[in-house]
Amino acid sequence: AQSVTQPDIHITVSEGASLELRCNYSYGATPYLFWYVQSPGQGLQLLLKYFSGDTLVQGIKGFEAEFKRSQSSFNLRKPSVHWSDAAEYFCAVGPLRPGGGNKLTFGTGTQLKVEL
Amino acid sequence: ETGVTQSPTHLIKTRGQQVTLRCSSQSGHNTVSWYQQALGQGPQFIFQYYREEENGRGNFPPRFSGLQFPNYSSELNVNALELDDSALYLCASSSDVAGGPSGELFFGEGSRLTVL
Repeated sequence: AQSVTQPDIHITVSEGASLELRCNYSYGATPYLFWYVQSPGQGLQLLLKYFSGDTLVQGIKGFEAEFKRSQSSFNLRKPSVHWSDAAEYFCAVGPLRPGGGNKLTFGTGTQLKVEL
Repeated sequence: ETGVTQSPTHLIKTRGQQVTLRCSSQSGHNTVSWYQQALGQGPQFIFQYYREEENGRGNFPPRFSGLQFPNYSSELNVNALELDDSALYLCASSSDVAGGPSGELFFGEGSRLTVL
């Protein structure tokens, strides 16, 4: 069965500091990996996705993530955090294929707090 | 381009009642997925509808059911509500792409259900 682990429940960083959010997955095939962000009272917004190819993927809002197959990890990074980045971040894994199969397995999330 | 819209945004029910939640998918999307997000947890896949048929289901009992209409909008119905059904219910739409997955689920802002 597929699973996603986000080891850090809460993270606090100072504005302007760098950020890394950890994600480890377990999946029996080539995974499709995603990072979503959720602001309070909002739905989920896709930050970036990895399907294949270059293991370093760029996303929106200055985020990037690196897929490391040997470590079963897909960590999210940002060089300089802005106060507006405070939100909850979810890593997800799943197969997406034409015609169906949009089942994503999400981690439990990491709550990011940004100190000014 | 109209995004995913859900209604109602908030509702309160009592144990044993039935509830219907509605979702309008993003223009051009033919696949709708429903997720349940309990407080402090990541979203969990309930089921998916593709071309008006259920096409994939998570670990939820049969009292969770749904419909998809010809315009691709969807309903989630939950019968015999239990206290543990209290959660944010998220709808996500996507399109299938010939030759490969579209790679992105577009989420609505959710319907928050409280069961007393």
